[in-house]
Amino acid sequence: EVQLVESGGGLVQPGGSLRLSCAASGFTFSSYWMHWVRQAPGKGLVWVSRISSDGSSTSYADSVKGRFTISRDNAQKTLYLQMNSLRAEDTAVYYCARGYTSSASWFDPWGQGSLVTVSS
Amino acid sequence: QSVLTQPPSTSGTPGQRVTISCSGGTSNIGTNTVNWYQQLPGTAPKVLIYSNNQRPSGVPDRFSGSKSGTSASLAISGLQSEDEADYYCAAWDDSLYAVIFGGGTKLTVL
Repeated sequence: EVQLVESGGGLVQPGGSLRLSCAASGFTFSSYWMHWVRQAPGKGLVWVSRISSDGSSTSYADSVKGRFTISRDNAQKTLYLQMNSLRAEDTAVYYCARGYTSSASWFDPWGQGSLVTVSS
Repeated sequence: QSVLTQPPSTSGTPGQRVTISCSGGTSNIGTNTVNWYQQLPGTAPKVLIYSNNQRPSGVPDRFSGSKSGTSASLAISGLQSEDEADYYCAAWDDSLYAVIFGGGTKLTVL
């Protein structure tokens, strides 16, 4: 079964840091682009970042550029999101998702999500 | 404000057909494929339609997608109570160099 499981969320103070992980199983992780998408409470979906299958190419939404870093460990089949200088507006459920080269916004499957709360 | 525009809400009765529109521009829908996601309450999103009009295995053929110019639409026929959910369109934007989502449409089955 293809599965993505996020971890690492929690409560952090403004200006703090947090690292999310996404463990993949059931597919050849090293063959796929991977993405992070977030959803603030009661709001819509917002794309955060993506990384190529070999980790050589990354892209970020303007709202997180310079503060967040996406990375991956293909040997461990794990995707990461390092989040620094966190702000209240970064509070959201963060989903990791598998991507497809044939359509850059095609995500399947999604993980269950990890809640990040930025508050003092 | 999302780059892709969807109606905030829509509704229908069981058995009815509803459509959800997604309006964009030349740098996104006009150039790239559109994907649709369904998010049931309290759950992660799930792909409903990929590459404009393709259904993943397991998605009922009551769901269909289409694209014309800079707009796309999702149609749901034979509406069922379990279709009550939020629906999002998504596309890559060549100018923003980012994936963009529509603001989402909440479907209520009356």
